[in-house]
Amino acid sequence: DGGITQSPKYLFRKEGQNVTLSCEQNLNHDAMYWYRQDPGQGLRLIYYSQIVNDFQKGDIAEGYSVSREKKESFPLTVTSAQKNPTAFYLCASRPTGPYGYTFGSGTRLTVV
Amino acid sequence: GENVEQHPSTLSVQEGDSAVIKCTYSDSASNYFPWYKQELGKGPQLIIDIRSNVGEKKDQRIAVTLNKTAKHFSLHITETQPEDSAVYFCAASKDNDMRFGAGTRLTVKP
Repeated sequence: DGGITQSPKYLFRKEGQNVTLSCEQNLNHDAMYWYRQDPGQGLRLIYYSQIVNDFQKGDIAEGYSVSREKKESFPLTVTSAQKNPTAFYLCASRPTGPYGYTFGSGTRLTVV
Repeated sequence: GENVEQHPSTLSVQEGDSAVIKCTYSDSASNYFPWYKQELGKGPQLIIDIRSNVGEKKDQRIAVTLNKTAKHFSLHITETQPEDSAVYFCAASKDNDMRFGAGTRLTVKP
């Protein structure tokens, strides 16, 4: 079945560590996105990529980095510069044009 | 840029009643309006969408209406069931930009 897979489901980070969240899709979608969701809050855009080897900052990119070396993969690194990284992270993809997103099941990141 | 406002933030209904969630958007060039349902601990799922050339769309118990002149769109759920309890997000999209509302937590009481 086609879909979008995020791993791990739960991740714990120590202060000062970088961590990488994985996002893989086999839907042949061109565009991929990373969102952050805080408890009781909406979705805030971190980074997005419309084609391989190209990506753009979203509204809250500071302290995060991404890469898009393959169409299927869009990993997100939460760096030590992100001062408040505890949140639920959602990856999404969609084909080019006016279509809805397919979301992954999310990664819950906690700083310990 | 686009700004999407969603109301109410919480909504509680009795099983069998209808639920309505409303959204407004600011950019008249937005042309695609999806609705997502998010259950606890999961990613949002697309439940229905509407494009700017259509005024209403139905899928079983859910329907969406769009008023382009007033720049607002609404989600209607009829005959609500406990499994409809979730957070619902509206969104407005233009080109590759999609903006989400803040979400509505719907509780359906048995």
